[in-house]
Amino acid sequence: KQEVTQIPAALSVPEGENLVLNCSFTDSAIYNLQWFRQDPGKGLTSLLLIQSSQREQTSGRLNASLDKSSGRSTLYIAASQPGDSATYLCAVFKAAGNKLTFGGGTRVLVKP
Amino acid sequence: NAGVTQTPKFQVLKTGQSMTLQCAQDMNHNSMYWYRQDPGMGLRLIYYSASEGTTDKGEVPNGYNVSRLNKREFSLRLESAAPSQTSVYFCACWGRQQPQHFGDGTRLSIL
Repeated sequence: KQEVTQIPAALSVPEGENLVLNCSFTDSAIYNLQWFRQDPGKGLTSLLLIQSSQREQTSGRLNASLDKSSGRSTLYIAASQPGDSATYLCAVFKAAGNKLTFGGGTRVLVKP
Repeated sequence: NAGVTQTPKFQVLKTGQSMTLQCAQDMNHNSMYWYRQDPGMGLRLIYYSASEGTTDKGEVPNGYNVSRLNKREFSLRLESAAPSQTSVYFCACWGRQQPQHFGDGTRLSIL
């Protein structure tokens, strides 16, 4: 059974600092990995999607890496802003079973 | 705008009542999903539909039924609501090589 872990569960940083969020998964036979953002009381917004054949994806200040063999992904957010405060979730998609397994999320607070 | 639409956004039920949560997507994706999100439990899959005409159980299917009405619509039914089903429910859709897209959620309270 696939298990996805995100550490730390919560993170507080001053504005301008770079954020590093970690995600680990137990079964490396994944189809893709996705990072989401969730604001309080809201739905999930997709940030980055990394296919199993890719090593990283970038979008603006966001960069996500994938190391399938070690079962790890890292989301980097450069020069954090108070607007980056949210919960970040990673999820892995296994083709067999056609479904996502989510980590518990990392709650981020960026202080002005 | 393309996306996933869930109705209603909020609902309060009494124990034993029934209701159906509606979900529609206009992204032309084959697969659709229902999740529930609870504090400390994360997002858990209730049911999913890999394509029109098929449905499968997820991690927590007990107490729920689903209907894939057509390619666009996937509904979740609570036949006899219980307080343990108080949660936030999310619908999502997925197409190959694409990210999963989520609706804004339905906040359901059962008294």
